[in-house]
Amino acid sequence: ETGVTQSPTHLIKTRGQQVTLRCSSQSGHNTVSWYQQALGQGPQFIFQYYREEENGRGNFPPRFSGLQFPNYSSELNVNALELDDSALYLCASSSLLAGGTGELFFGEGSRLTVL
Amino acid sequence: GENVEQHPSTLSVQEGDSAVIKCTYSDSASNYFPWYKQELGKRPQLIIDIRSNVGEKKDQRIAVTLNKTAKHFSLHITETQPEDSAVYFCAARGSGGGADGLTFGKGTHLIIQP
Repeated sequence: ETGVTQSPTHLIKTRGQQVTLRCSSQSGHNTVSWYQQALGQGPQFIFQYYREEENGRGNFPPRFSGLQFPNYSSELNVNALELDDSALYLCASSSLLAGGTGELFFGEGSRLTVL
Repeated sequence: GENVEQHPSTLSVQEGDSAVIKCTYSDSASNYFPWYKQELGKRPQLIIDIRSNVGEKKDQRIAVTLNKTAKHFSLHITETQPEDSAVYFCAARGSGGGADGLTFGKGTHLIIQP
């Protein structure tokens, strides 16, 4: 059973640029969610994708967008980067199928630094 | 939306002693309460969770209690060991299922003194 994998692990961007982060969900999971974890804080929910559609969103502006593909992998896109976007971005997969616990399995994260 | 408060922010205990971390939540409709352990530079890992139809759950040295009336839940670690040192996060999720996302507390840095 493969776990959640994310890429890249680290990246540096400048203000105003755009970034795409990628996530492969754990085998057998059909749902992907993304979280932003600022230094010294708990993760904050960005959004969740199920069946290739966003079905839940936290308090993040529209410049945070995503995709889910038929193989359940996912992308997080952030446009017009701001300094405050510097954080660890965590992808988590889960199963919403009957019998699934809904437990989230996190990847190791992508650490984004905006200069 | 949901708001989760977590205390204390730092907890130092002697090896072998017990540690207790407490959280409160605001949304009475929340029905799932997981606890995650995050070591430095690593991913958050689920250590135990509890659903709103249960008052207590135990897994070896770890237990979680839930008081729905007071809207608070606690993590109890007994016989602490050096490998228990980490940041612990509580979280809550509303009745909308995964679409609500998890709301996390700000974390507790647990330090086990040898």
